[in-house]
This record gives sequence, C-alpha cells and structure tokens, in this order.
Amino acid sequence: ELKVEQNPLFLSMQEGKNYTIYCNYSTTSDRLYWYRQDPGKSLESLFVLLSNGAVKQEGRLMASLDTKARLSTLHITAAVHDLSATYFCAVDSRGTGNQFYFGTGTSLTVIP
Amino acid sequence: EAQVTQNPRYLITVTGKKLTVTCSQNMNHEYMSWYRQDPGLGLRQIYYSMNVEVTDKGDVPEGYKVSRKEKRNFPLILESPSPNQTSLYFCASSLYPPGTSGRASTDTQYFGPGTRLTVL
Repeated sequence: ELKVEQNPLFLSMQEGKNYTIYCNYSTTSDRLYWYRQDPGKSLESLFVLLSNGAVKQEGRLMASLDTKARLSTLHITAAVHDLSATYFCAVDSRGTGNQFYFGTGTSLTVIP
Repeated sequence: EAQVTQNPRYLITVTGKKLTVTCSQNMNHEYMSWYRQDPGLGLRQIYYSMNVEVTDKGDVPEGYKVSRKEKRNFPLILESPSPNQTSLYFCASSLYPPGTSGRASTDTQYFGPGTRLTVL
C-alpha cells in the first residue's frame, strides 16, 4: 500500500522564523505535488516537482524533491501570518495505475 | 472562467436515502477524480476517471458509485448513505492523469469548492 507521511502534523511558528515541513512517501514516483488549503476552502496547487533534485520557489515557500530518499521538503522562510493554512503533499501511482495519494497534511499557524 | 463546480455545497440527509453530488468542469479535462477529506486522514481518493466511460476505483470506493457519460461531468452517487460517509467531498480535474504528461501545467489537478455531507 502506498503511503505518504507528513511531519509535523501541526506547526505553530512565530512570524519571521524559518521552518521545514517534511513529506516521505513509499512509492518510486519521481513526481511530487504540494497543495495549500485555507480554512474552510478548497485546495490550491502550490508546486509540482517533476524530477529528482527539482527545486521550486514561490515567495517565502521553497519545495524540493529527493526521489532517492523518497523525501520532499517545503521550506518556509521568514513566515508571515498569510501563510497560515494546511499544506498537503501528494504523489501519483505512476506505473501501478492512475491513482493519487495525499499526505495527512500539516496545519501551519503563524503567530504575530 | 476555468473552474470545477460541485453541487450541492452542503447536504444533510438520513441513512439509506440515495443522493448524488454533481461535479462539472469547463476546461475539457480528461482526468476527473473524487476525494473525501476527514480529520487526521488527509484526502483519500474514492474514484477517478481517465476519460468518458472510463472509471476506476481509488483507495476508498466502498459505498460509492460514479459515472462519466460526458467529458465535463463526473457525478458521485451514494446509493444507500451511512453515517460513516459523513465527510467533506472534493471533485478535481486535470488535463491528463497526474504523472503522465511530464508537465506541471497538464498534471496539476484543479479542485472544486467541496461538498460537506452529513448522514444522520
């Protein structure tokens, strides 16, 4: 069974601080997706990482992918309150179907 | 405006009363999918469709049915809802199945606003 695990599940951080969310997965997929969900809202795509070593940055968020370690990280730099949301990583089941698997999510709260 | 729409947005029903949640996209996407979101479990895929008349089970298909008679529509059917199907449901679509095109723009799934279902 394909598993996607995120750490931490809950994260409370002060504005201006840096932190990293980790996403481990059990498939051999070389692609990984990050989504953001604001409270009471739908999901919005943040990043699609398409190969080993891929790095993408948008504002204060930077995502990277290490397919050999089956690990992706979402790094937050100098957090601001607007980044408070739940962040999900996800992988596809390439080679074994066309399913899509999400992690359990990381609920981030940025405190002024 | 490119979008995925779902109806209804909120639904309270009773055990055993058949219901349908509609999903429609206007982007000519081939791939459509249904997910349920439960606290502590993230999102889990229920069913997905690669194209018209092509559907397949996801991780948690028990108690659900789907159909894809037109490219734009992908309804989710609960023939006999039970309380354990109380959840937040999302429909999503992408041009191609995730991971098949090698391009972020065509692999990215776009999500509908969600349907909050309560089964009493």
